Formats: sequence, structure tokens, C-alpha cells
Amino acid sequence: AQSVAQPEDQVNVAEGNPLTVKCTYSVSGNPYLFWYVQYPNRGLQFLLKYITGDNLVKGSYGFEAEFNKSQTSFHLKKPSALVSDSALYFCAVRDMKAGGSYIPTFGRGTSLIVHP
Amino acid sequence: DVKVTQSSRYLVKRTGEKVFLECVQDMDHENMFWYRQDPGLGLRLIYFSYDVKMKEKGDIPEGYSVSREKKERFSLILESASTNQTSMYLCASSTLTGSSEQFFGPGTRLTVL
Repeated sequence: AQSVAQPEDQVNVAEGNPLTVKCTYSVSGNPYLFWYVQYPNRGLQFLLKYITGDNLVKGSYGFEAEFNKSQTSFHLKKPSALVSDSALYFCAVRDMKAGGSYIPTFGRGTSLIVHP
Repeated sequence: DVKVTQSSRYLVKRTGEKVFLECVQDMDHENMFWYRQDPGLGLRLIYFSYDVKMKEKGDIPEGYSVSREKKERFSLILESASTNQTSMYLCASSTLTGSSEQFFGPGTRLTVL
């Protein structure tokens, strides 16, 4: 079985400060990991993914995420937050293990609020 | 630009009505998905399809059915709408490759009165 947890419902950060949105996962094999962003009244938009290779993945809008296998985490980061980054962020995981579900499992989402 | 479109952004229906939500993708993707999104519950999978005329139940299929007659089109049907089906409905598509990200439509906010 695969699962993903986003332990924070909401993250508040001041503009210009670094931000982190947390995600932990559980899979039987190795994971495919994804981050998506949802702006108000919009669909989800892909930000970045980890498949294999370098543990630090860079994505759209200056976001990056670090894959940590020992801690089973895939936290989303940005060095300097913008007010326009305020949105809902979803982490998703899919187990690479043969016979595993080919449908990703989504976390419940974390609301990021960047204060001016 | 790749695109997933949904037939309506906002929809208001009455209890007992039959409701059709349509989704079209122009990327020749094999997989298509229907989710509903509710505050605090994240995304919950209703149905997905990996090929024309093929469908599989997701986590919450009760009260819903789907149709995929053409590769690019995936319809969600509420046979008899109820107030507890008031929600945001999101369609998505992806390739068959496990590492593929999903592409989402803009969503349909359905209100059942």
C-alpha cells in the first residue's frame, strides 16, 4: 500500500523568507513523488517530480524539493517566498514496485500563506 | 500547450437530476481520472480509465458512473444528484508511464440544491 502525509494544514511565512512545505510517504518499493500547486478556483498544476537520480529536484517558479530516502520525506522548498506563492500545495506518491497501483495517492494539501 | 478542459466551471442542479460532467484532453493520453475535492479531505478518486471503454472504480464510486467512448473524452455522470455531491470536481489525464505527472482541468464547482 502507498500513502502520503502532509502534517501541516497551513504554513505561514513572511515574504522574502524561505519556505518549507512538508511531505512524508510510505511505499513498499521505491517512490515516484510529485508536487502540485492549486491557486483559488483552479485545477492542480504540476510543479516538480522525483523519479530517480539527484535527490534535489528543481521545478517551476523557483521551487525545489529534496528527496530523503532514510526519512521517507519529500519536502517542498523555496529560498525566498513571494505573496503570489500563496496557494494550496499537494504532495503525491506512486509506488514503483511491480504490481503496485499505477494511480498516485495524494496528500490532503497544505495551505501556504505568504504575508507581505 | 497541453490542455484538459471541463464542460462547465460552475453548475447548479436540483436534487434528483441527472448530471453530466465532461472532460476533454488533447494530449492523446491513455489515462483519465475523475476526482472530487472537498475542504480538509484533499483529492478523492471517483473513477479512472486507462483505455477507451475501460474503467475502474476509485475510492468513492458510489452514486457516480463514467463513460469513455473516445480516447480524448471522459464523462462523469451523477445518476440522481444529491446534496452531498455538492463539491469541486476535477478531471485529470496522464500517459501510462508510471513516472508521468497528471494534467488537470480547471475544475467544475457543482452545487446540488
